[in-house]
Parts: sequence; structure tokens; C-alpha cells
Amino acid sequence: AQSVTQPDIHITVSEGASLELRCNYSYGATPYLFWYVQSPGQGLQLLLKYFSGDTLVQGIKGFEAEFKRSQSSFNLRKPSVHWSDAAEYFCAVGATGGYQKVTFGTGTKLQVIP
Amino acid sequence: NAGVMQNPRHLVRRRGQEARLRCSPVKGHSHVYWYRQLPEEGLKFMVYLQKENIIDESGMPKERFSAEFPKEGPSILRIQQVVRGDSAAYFCASSPDSPETQYFGPGTRLLVL
Repeated sequence: AQSVTQPDIHITVSEGASLELRCNYSYGATPYLFWYVQSPGQGLQLLLKYFSGDTLVQGIKGFEAEFKRSQSSFNLRKPSVHWSDAAEYFCAVGATGGYQKVTFGTGTKLQVIP
Repeated sequence: NAGVMQNPRHLVRRRGQEARLRCSPVKGHSHVYWYRQLPEEGLKFMVYLQKENIIDESGMPKERFSAEFPKEGPSILRIQQVVRGDSAAYFCASSPDSPETQYFGPGTRLLVL
């Protein structure tokens, strides 16, 4: 069964600083990988996804993520954080083949300070 | 295009009552997924349905919980005889095919008193 680990529960960064959120997955085959963002009291919004091809994926709101098979990682990055990026971020892995059963990590809460 | 719609957004029930959560997928999407998010936790898969069929309900509690996705109308997640531990946010997602990206609704926040 697939699993996802987000080792950082909380991260605080200064506005304008760079950001990297870590995500490690466990899955026997090539996974489908996702990053979602959730603002308080809201649903999940898809930031970006990796299915195949180029391992550097560009998403919305200036985010990108890099799939590294050798490290089983799919870290999310942003070069310059804005106060509006404060939210909770979830990494997720979906099983390839058949239907897609998505497994989510426990999330990383991002705080942005002035 | 309307996204995934869920109603109600907030639901308060007393222990022993029934909760019915509705999900209208994106128009044209025939795959629906339900997830539960407990406080301070990530989303946990509950059930995956296609029109009129339950494909995988491995994440659903064996008792009191049921789900359907009829030919016409929204998908329904039904919780009978709710208990305080059922208090959570329940999210529905839909996709046009599977495997494919899932698009999430805003969730229903259930509070059991």
C-alpha cells in the first residue's frame, strides 16, 4: 500500500523568503503525485501534479515541485513566499493502474511572518 | 463551470441522529470519492463510487456508514446513529475518469453534540 510522509508539521518563513516543503512517498511503481493547499475552513485546491514526463512540475501561484525517484521525494518549492500563502499543504500519492486511490500526508502548516 | 458542490457546509447533529451529506460532482464527472478529515489530521479515503456502483469502500467503517451515487442526483454519504467521534470534515472529490486528477468540494463539517 502506498504512503506519504510530510516530516514538517509546522513551518514558519518570512515573507519574501524561499520555501521548501518536504514530501516522501512509498509506492512500488511510478506514482501519481499531487500537492494540494487548504486554507482554514476551506476545501483543497490542487497546486500541481506529476503523472509522468518532466520531473520538474510547475503549478499555480508560483509553486513548483520536483519528482526524485531515487529519493522517493516530491518536494514543493516557491522562490518567494507571500503572506497569502499561509495555509496547510498536503502532499498526496495516487496508485497507478486501475482506479486512483489517493493517500494523503498529514499536512504541513505554513505560517508567513512579515 | 461549477466545481464540486457539497451541502450542507455545516451540520450539527445530536448523538443517535442521522447525518446525510450530499455531493454534486463537476458536470460530466462520473467518479466520486469521499474522504474524512479529523482535526489536525490529513484526509483519509473512505469510498470510491461510479454511477450506481460502489467500487471501493475499504475506508468506510463497517457499521453505520453508507454511500451511494445514483444514476440521477448527487452522491450521498449517510451516517446513522452518529457518535461524537464522527465529528469531522467530510470532503467529496470527483474526476472525469480514473486515474485522473480529483477535484475537491468545500467539505461538510459535521459536529456531533
